[in-house]
Amino acid sequence: EAGVAQSPRYKIIEKRQSVAFWCNPISGHATLYWYQQILGQGPKLLIQFQNNGVVDDSQLPKDRFSAERLKGVDSTLKIQPAKLEDSAVYLCASRRGLGGTISGNTIYFGEGSWLTVV
Amino acid sequence: SQQGEEDPQALSIQEGENATMNCSYKTSINNLQWYRQNSGRGLVHLILIRSNEREKHSGRLRVTLDTSKKSSSLLITASRAADTASYFCATSRGMEYGNKLVFGAGTILRVKS
Repeated sequence: EAGVAQSPRYKIIEKRQSVAFWCNPISGHATLYWYQQILGQGPKLLIQFQNNGVVDDSQLPKDRFSAERLKGVDSTLKIQPAKLEDSAVYLCASRRGLGGTISGNTIYFGEGSWLTVV
Repeated sequence: SQQGEEDPQALSIQEGENATMNCSYKTSINNLQWYRQNSGRGLVHLILIRSNEREKHSGRLRVTLDTSKKSSSLLITASRAADTASYFCATSRGMEYGNKLVFGAGTILRVKS
């Protein structure tokens, strides 16, 4: 079974520029997450999709961040304009169902997209 | 804000020794999970323990949960150099809260060979 795919792996941009990250979840996984992980910290949830609908985007800075999952499969996370504090790893993850403790609902993470804003 | 707080922040041990990491959290939970993250890689799920469970084992891993103290511990027995990684606890409050996982800051484990 192929894992969660993310691209690009690394990106360096200047502040005020824009950047987009792409994620392809594991086939058949309905739930997709974007997490932001700043160096030395644990991942912080930015947005959660259930199919193509948003379940939780309470911690997404909507003035500069946007995300979509139009066909309920791939997802794109965009930052525009970027700030220095956006430097982080952006992790995409997916889960087959809604979660909870049902067997088979493990969350699988991609390798992450490393963003440096200079 | 992050719910889980891991302790210690960093741990360095010799191969073959046991490693214990602790996690404290603030609210009631449905389950608590532990993840491993190798340097430059994504997170890998290790083990899940439900709020009504007190202890769980998986291979060399042993997890305990004390809901009265709002704390959990992860024990890795007979550690190996390959166990060198960051370990995170994550809590879920259940379906009512969208099964959202809230991660702690992690413990960096270094196993010296």
